[in-house]
Amino acid sequence: DSGVTQTPKHLITATGQRVTLRCSPRSGDLSVYWYQQSLDQGLQFLIQYYNGEERAKGNILERFSAQQFPDLHSELNLSSLELGDSALYFCASSVGGLNTEAFFGQGTRLTVV
Amino acid sequence: TQLLEQSPQFLSIQEGENLTVYCNSSSVFSSLQWYRQEPGEGPVLLVTVVTGGEVKKLKRLTFQFGDARKDSSLHITAAQPGDTGLYLCARAPGSNTGKLIFGQGTTLQVKP
Repeated sequence: DSGVTQTPKHLITATGQRVTLRCSPRSGDLSVYWYQQSLDQGLQFLIQYYNGEERAKGNILERFSAQQFPDLHSELNLSSLELGDSALYFCASSVGGLNTEAFFGQGTRLTVV
Repeated sequence: TQLLEQSPQFLSIQEGENLTVYCNSSSVFSSLQWYRQEPGEGPVLLVTVVTGGEVKKLKRLTFQFGDARKDSSLHITAAQPGDTGLYLCARAPGSNTGKLIFGQGTTLQVKP
């Protein structure tokens, strides 16, 4: 158990819909990262929050947004969903900074039909 | 984008065999991490290598960081079915963030 909790584990939704994925980081970790894993693109960094503020951004689509709340949990919002958004979405947390170990949750498997 | 190229992409071997997985980049990086991911789980950190030429051992796994810090390898001795999984190398490109850039991964299947 990594200590990072993601909900839900599985999500099936229709094209055009909006979903929210939730992540609770390890106790004490200030950084939360979101990654997308698909068969063709591999594991891709989406966005990082550190203590409530956006720290780094990857190839995150404009239809996607995230936030980190005062209790440090984070949510990833995906809207106007397309078939190609079907993927595993992972949240990871760390104390922050370079070379610190990232602990990954079990992921949310999103299927868009 | 400073890519990490992993090879091979897929590897299917018999229990007891040895194997090596490679991670290469055209750029120098300050450190490199290796992760293993099992089906239905998130990646788990195996090791971080920092110094050029560094060798780290984790039981039957040996990790090496190239002298020029552009490449790394993971060698598994006497592979076991429990080694089956996706092996990912990753680097942190920035100084003010712990975000990771991952290679495409090597899927290893060890048959009993």
